[in-house]
Amino acid sequence: SQQGEEDPQALSIQEGENATMNCSYKTSINNLQWYRQNSGRGLVHLILIRSNEREKHSGRLRVTLDTSKKSSSLLITASRAADTASYFCATPRNRDDKIIFGKGTRLHILP
Amino acid sequence: DGGITQSPKYLFRKEGQNVTLSCEQNLNHDAMYWYRQDPGQGLRLIYYSQIVNDFQKGDIAEGYSVSREKKESFPLTVTSAQKNPTAFYLCASSLQGAIPGANVLTFGAGSRLTVL
Repeated sequence: SQQGEEDPQALSIQEGENATMNCSYKTSINNLQWYRQNSGRGLVHLILIRSNEREKHSGRLRVTLDTSKKSSSLLITASRAADTASYFCATPRNRDDKIIFGKGTRLHILP
Repeated sequence: DGGITQSPKYLFRKEGQNVTLSCEQNLNHDAMYWYRQDPGQGLRLIYYSQIVNDFQKGDIAEGYSVSREKKESFPLTVTSAQKNPTAFYLCASSLQGAIPGANVLTFGAGSRLTVL
């Protein structure tokens, strides 16, 4: 079963705008991760935020975590064409600590 | 460069045939994983292995088999018992243990299997 669910399923924005994707999860977690997947390729780890952190930055990426609402958001600032990809949130499953992925948000940056 | 190599990148199979997908890593990671990805779906865990000569079923193990004879290698066999094998298969690896961030996954480039 899915642990995390991303929203929206698809997002198209103009180059230079900011893109925000959200992730909701069901059970308590010790960390939440975001990954990117270019079409037809493997996933690449972007950022990990621990349950005791509320916000984390990495370059143009900003991740927030609200454990009371069981939700996280990924903000990509000043988007570029190369940001076109699918973005997944992932959380360790409680019973065996295995990483479980949501269905992803497909981001399309328009020139 | 360290990484994970999956082969073949594309594979075509006739119904009733078994096929084996290769996954090799030189990251010295303890754990290795196989995921399946279908269009519009997230990744679903097929099998995982935390140490050599040991592996566990994931959420969708039926019709698949694995082995872990070497730390570097975790091949996946898609058997004829798998009813709908056409999919994109992703191999991943990670460190193990209680180290924060240890369960961050490194992925291969994937293998796309098509059943004719």
